[in-house]
Amino acid sequence: DGGITQSPKYLFRKEGQNVTLSCEQNLNHDAMYWYRQDPGQGLRLIYYSQIVNDFQKGDIAEGYSVSREKKESFPLTVTSAQKNPTAFYLCAAGQFTEAFFGQGTRLTVV
Amino acid sequence: AQSVAQPEDQVNVAEGNPLTVKCTYSVSGNPYLFWYVQYPNRGLQFLLKYITGDNLVKGSYGFEAEFNKSQTSFHLKKPSALVSDSALYFCAVTDGGSYIPTFGRGTSLIVHP
Repeated sequence: DGGITQSPKYLFRKEGQNVTLSCEQNLNHDAMYWYRQDPGQGLRLIYYSQIVNDFQKGDIAEGYSVSREKKESFPLTVTSAQKNPTAFYLCAAGQFTEAFFGQGTRLTVV
Repeated sequence: AQSVAQPEDQVNVAEGNPLTVKCTYSVSGNPYLFWYVQYPNRGLQFLLKYITGDNLVKGSYGFEAEFNKSQTSFHLKKPSALVSDSALYFCAVTDGGSYIPTFGRGTSLIVHP
């Protein structure tokens, strides 16, 4: 999937626990994104970063946090404040006219 | 604000028949339009894009899409469907000012043998 690596592929979270999803890219793109996918709702933007050390909230940022300390890395933390975290999470990196997606991480609350 | 509508949750077509997956958009400036495909439990794969130029855009795997500015549409088409085309298809738009694409809800394409 174009040099975007997400890990782990499957993740289980207990109630009240923070978990971090990894996203690494080797495409040298400035912009990176996190989307959440729920059945029938398409992709919703959580956070995006257009340059190192800077990021912006998307449409559904509550209960999530990110960092962008390196160009190639954009980890997403799902905090205990996110009340319904079970979903498929997709990371992407983009140039001006195209986005490249990772394989996704499926997060389940147990 | 920008938005995308995919009016059909599911499209069913017989193998060998032509297929169309519909997409309409709303954007304040000039639209940059995209189609992506997703297979189960996988990420999205880029199919094609319209930035400027010819209204008929050809992409991967025999897909094409027609940009219609007056109808604000960007429908995905293929002359002859394959069973292997069965997947979830997403239309996306950005105004080109800053590349933050907005995605539609997705359309599930089912091609019957």
